Amino acid sequence: DTAVSQTPKYLVTQMGNDKSIKCEQNLGHDTMYWYKQDSKKFLKIMFSYNNKELIINETVPNRFSPKSPDKAHLNLHINSLELGDSAVYFCASSQGSTYTQYFGPGTRLTVL
Amino acid sequence: QKEVEQDPGPLSVPEGAIVSLNCTYSNSAFQYFMWYRQYSRKGPELLMYTYSSGNKEDGRFTAQVDKSSKYISLFIRDSQPSDSATYLCAMTRGGGADGLTFGKGTHLIIQP
Repeated sequence: DTAVSQTPKYLVTQMGNDKSIKCEQNLGHDTMYWYKQDSKKFLKIMFSYNNKELIINETVPNRFSPKSPDKAHLNLHINSLELGDSAVYFCASSQGSTYTQYFGPGTRLTVL
Repeated sequence: QKEVEQDPGPLSVPEGAIVSLNCTYSNSAFQYFMWYRQYSRKGPELLMYTYSSGNKEDGRFTAQVDKSSKYISLFIRDSQPSDSATYLCAMTRGGGADGLTFGKGTHLIIQP
């Protein structure tokens, strides 16, 4: 069984479009995250979210917004896509005070 | 100065060698330390988790944390070609929905 899953795996789109990436975890975790891995493979936190708080990395443009319909899902909406948004986006989850995070397989976004 | 420094490599060693990977960090608030392994085009996979200073062993892997020096290490004994991957150190302060701060990763190659 896949613990953290993401769809789609690949996403190719034009500049200016709006797109969404979905994430689901079946681990029963209470906190979910979105990370961006750039072309140099550097992995950086974008958002952290649980039922109590949303923490936004201050460097993330407001074109990016997380949406959580329930504890098991955290989707990422991106408006007005730009070339620089091309990257691999990873979803992760963790439980309470363990702080160990489990990652999904990634969504490779290419903006043309 | 970046929060977490990690030599990107590549580090190439013969099969069976002991591998030493390390990271230094600047934020003394970090208390939880992790090592992840990432194969090409896959998500990061949690290898080791350590709280505060000390050693932790799991099979061929040993993680060490020295908070006084702000230095963490991962040792791999009896290295195998299947260990060839990028190794990412990660750390967090803990508390709330706290994301991980990653090093840039070390690309490790185990030569058969």
